[in-house]
Amino acid sequence: EAGVAQSPRYKIIEKRQSVAFWCNPISGHATLYWYQQILGQGPKLLIQFQNNGVVDDSQLPKDRFSAERLKGVDSTLKIQPAKLEDSAVYLCASSEPGLAGFIEQFFGPGTRLTVL
Amino acid sequence: QQQVKQSPQSLIVQKGGISIINCAYENTAFDYFPWYQQFPGKGPALLIAIRPDVSEKKEGRFTISFNKSAKQFSLHIMDSQPGDSATYFCAASITSGTYKYIFGTGTRLKVLA
Repeated sequence: EAGVAQSPRYKIIEKRQSVAFWCNPISGHATLYWYQQILGQGPKLLIQFQNNGVVDDSQLPKDRFSAERLKGVDSTLKIQPAKLEDSAVYLCASSEPGLAGFIEQFFGPGTRLTVL
Repeated sequence: QQQVKQSPQSLIVQKGGISIINCAYENTAFDYFPWYQQFPGKGPALLIAIRPDVSEKKEGRFTISFNKSAKQFSLHIMDSQPGDSATYFCAASITSGTYKYIFGTGTRLKVLA
């Protein structure tokens, strides 16, 4: 079974530029998550999709971050304009409804963003 | 109240020793506690998870101990190996809600050969 795919793996941009990340979840997984992982910290959920609807975006800085999941499969996360503090690894994860009580989130390798 | 506090920040253990990582939470609504292992350049991967209706769960060399009254849980790695060197994250979730994870800050484990 193929895992969660993300691209690009690395991105370096100047502050105030725009950037977009792409995620392809595991086939059949209805739930998709975007996390921000700042160096030395645990992942922080930015947005959660159930199919193509947003379930939770309470920690998404909506003035500069946006995300979409068209057709309930692939997803893109965009930052416009980027700030220095956006330097982080952006992780995508997916999950499917499983046995009650245990839903494993499968993570992609992440995109490391450096904002100069 | 949504935080999960994890300690220590880093840990060095001799090969064959026991590695212990601790986590504490405040929100009693949390009812699912996974541990994730992350190697450099990789995404986190589920290691082991527990529900609060049991006090301990063991899978191979990895054991979660859960203390519901103290709102604490810990990961024990028995017979630690150099291949266990990674960053470990505890997390907590509410399964009746959106199931989002609240992660701890991570523990960087180094096992010396």
